[in-house]
Amino acid sequence: QVHLQESGPGLVKPSGTLSLTCAVTGDAVISNNWWSWVRQSPGMGLQWIGEVFHGGSMNYQPSLTGRVTISLDRSNGRFSLTLNSVTAADTAVYFCARRPISGAFLDYWGQGVLVTVSS
Amino acid sequence: QSVLTQPPSVSGAPGQGVTISCTGGSSNIGANYNVHWYQHLPGTAPKLLISDNHNRPSGVPERFSGSRSGTSASLAITGLQAEDEGFYYCQSYDSRVSGPVFGGGTKLTVL
Repeated sequence: QVHLQESGPGLVKPSGTLSLTCAVTGDAVISNNWWSWVRQSPGMGLQWIGEVFHGGSMNYQPSLTGRVTISLDRSNGRFSLTLNSVTAADTAVYFCARRPISGAFLDYWGQGVLVTVSS
Repeated sequence: QSVLTQPPSVSGAPGQGVTISCTGGSSNIGANYNVHWYQHLPGTAPKLLISDNHNRPSGVPERFSGSRSGTSASLAITGLQAEDEGFYYCQSYDSRVSGPVFGGGTKLTVL
């Protein structure tokens, strides 16, 4: 069974950098899947942040391009999210998820981690 | 403001059925991109409920079904059970974002 688990600081200061990691078990990050991040701000719906493929391809939410980087750690079976210059608007529950290369849906998700941007 | 529009809430008694709508536009559902549905129960990871408009992943009960027409899609749940209570999200692909877009979510209450 595929399992994803997010980890990282729950509090980040404004203008700082948000860094999260997603540990993947039950699958290899070099498999034919895209590895994605999605967030949910308080009281809001879900927003796709971006995704990475082991071949080196990445896709990002246009509104976040320039601040966001998603990368793979092939040797440790995990992938990461880095978001720079954060503001209170980046406060959200962040989820990692898997998207099969053959589909446009996310078939496995982590439980999510709350990140608050505050001084 | 979510790209796809869902009703904020629906409710039904145990054993009854409900339908959740999802309305998009010409750059997503109307462009013939597939619609997918997720169930998010409190304290758990979101779960894929319906893929590609109407396909149920292994383990999803037949009580859940999906359909798509024009710029809209629907999720139907029959035989409501208490454990169905939670949030439901639709998702499609949007050519303006070049990635997935979601609905705002619908809270299902089982009375």
